[in-house]
Order: sequence, then C-alpha cells, then structure tokens
Amino acid sequence: ETGVTQSPTHLIKTRGQQVTLRCSSQSGHNTVSWYQQALGQGPQFIFQYYREEENGRGNFPPRFSGLQFPNYSSELNVNALELDDSALYLCASSLWVTDYGYTFGSGTRLTVV
Amino acid sequence: EDKVVQSPLSLVVHEGDTVTLNCSYEVTNFRSLLWYKQEKKAPTFLFMLTSSGIEKKSGRLSSILDKKELFSILNITATQTGDSAVYLCEGAGGSQGNLIFGKGTKLSVKP
Repeated sequence: ETGVTQSPTHLIKTRGQQVTLRCSSQSGHNTVSWYQQALGQGPQFIFQYYREEENGRGNFPPRFSGLQFPNYSSELNVNALELDDSALYLCASSLWVTDYGYTFGSGTRLTVV
Repeated sequence: EDKVVQSPLSLVVHEGDTVTLNCSYEVTNFRSLLWYKQEKKAPTFLFMLTSSGIEKKSGRLSSILDKKELFSILNITATQTGDSAVYLCEGAGGSQGNLIFGKGTKLSVKP
C-alpha cells in the first residue's frame, strides 16, 4: 500500500513566478486537501477536492488554484508568487467518509526569494 | 469566524508524567474533530471524534469530545521521549471542506 507522495520536496522560486506542486493520493482515497504551514504555525486549509471537483476553500486568494485528476492525484498552482508564500505545503488524502482521518504527505518546502 | 484554539502552546514534562492537551473550537456545521501528531513534516493521524462523551483510546493516548462546551482533550499517560512532538487539533465543518487547524501544542518530554 502506498501512502501520499508529494513532489518536489524542496523548491526555490523568485517572487512573481508561478509554481506547480504535485500530490499522489493514497490508493483508494478520492478526496484531497491542501494546506499551507508557515514555520511555527498550524496548517492553514487552502482547498479540498472530491472526485475532481473543488469541495471547499479556505481564505486564500484566487492565485492559489488546484486540480484533481481522474486517478485522484492533484496539483496546487500558485501564480505571482509573493515572499509570504514561503511555507511547507502539505497534501492530505482521505476517503470522504472515514474513521481514519487524513493521510498526509511529507510536504513541499517552498522558498520564495 | 470559525476558529480552533489549542492550549497550552508549549509544554515541558518529564518522562512518566501525564499530560492533558486542550482544544476548543467554533466551527460552522461541525462534523468532527481530529487530532494529529507532527514530528517533522507530515502530521500523522491519531483520533477522529464525532460524538460527545465517547472516549477513544490508543495505547497511552486517549481523547474525548464535548460538543456542548465545544472542546476536546488529548491525554497522554506515562509520557516517553518519543512523545515529543507538536500535537495538532483540526475541526471539520459543513459539507464544503471547511477544515481548520489550531496552532498546535509543542510537547517536549525530558528524560
């Protein structure tokens, strides 16, 4: 059984650039959520996808967008990067109704310079 | 505005002590409350609570939810150095993927 894998693990971008982060869900999971975690803070919910449709969104601007593919893998796209976008980006997958919570990937550390 | 507040923010104990971590929540159309342990990067799932008053246990860890008072506690008995981590509480609400984390409690267990 594979867990949740994220790529890349680390990334350095320049302010104003665009970035795409990728996430492969755990086998059998059809729901994926993305979070931004700044240093020393709890994760902040960006959005959730369920069966390829956005199922909820946190307080993030439209330059944060996402996709979920038929195989339930997912992408997070961030346009016009700002310095404050530097953070750990976590992806978590789950069955929609489950007693086992979410399975998190190890994250992508994004640094914007 | 929905929020999840954890306390204390940090805690230092010695091996063998018992600790109680607190989580209060205000989440629209509340569905469930989840606890995670985060050591380095990926949070690992501990418990999911949906019903008041039903304790969930896993080894030395246990948790309970009070939906009337809108809080949950996570207990760790006979703490070990391996319990050192940040413990995160997350509230899940509504059907629109409303997911809110607290800032976490950093637990340090000294030998």
